Amino acid sequence: ILNVEQSPQSLHVQEGDSTNFTCSFPSSNFYALHWYRWETAKSPEALFVMTLNGDEKKKGRISATLNTKEGYSYLYIKGSQPEDSATYLCAVTDSNYQLIWGAGTKLIIKP
Amino acid sequence: SQTIHQWPATLVQPVGSPLSLECTVEGTSNPNLYWYRQAAGRGLQLLFYSVGIGQISSEVPQNLSASRPQDRQFILSSKKLLLSDSGFYLCAWGDEAGYSTDTQYFGPGTRLTVL
Repeated sequence: ILNVEQSPQSLHVQEGDSTNFTCSFPSSNFYALHWYRWETAKSPEALFVMTLNGDEKKKGRISATLNTKEGYSYLYIKGSQPEDSATYLCAVTDSNYQLIWGAGTKLIIKP
Repeated sequence: SQTIHQWPATLVQPVGSPLSLECTVEGTSNPNLYWYRQAAGRGLQLLFYSVGIGQISSEVPQNLSASRPQDRQFILSSKKLLLSDSGFYLCAWGDEAGYSTDTQYFGPGTRLTVL
């Protein structure tokens, strides 16, 4: 059974600081990795989907990298703002094309 | 544009009672539909998915069932709820089944508490 691990479980960051967190997954039979942002009282929203080793995606102050050989992805947030507070979910596509989800990293930005 | 609706938003039910959660999608046709559950401190667990009317695939054996009576309607049901059914239920749709890059779009969710 494919297992997706996210760390840390939660993170408090001062406004203006940059931060990053990790998603780990089995490196064999990799298909795709997805990052979602889930704000309180809203629905999870897709940020990135990545498939190639070394891939890097960017959306504003948020970026993500992918290492399929060692089985991890980093999500970076530069210059954190209060609106970045959310739970960030990572999911990996399995051999049945279904998403296997990590438990998420809860990010809290302190003003 | 596409929208996805779920109701109710919250539900408190006694053990042994029935359950019916509804999800509808607008603005797209023949979507792939998904039911997920999130238990406290855990990742999203896929319960059911459907690629068409009347086609349901179950990922986890349990006392829940799903139905898709219409193209854009997905229903999650139970005849008798268990305490362990408590959690947050999310419905999602996607339009590229069979592609590893398929993005899923989520509804607002239902918070179910079984007492």
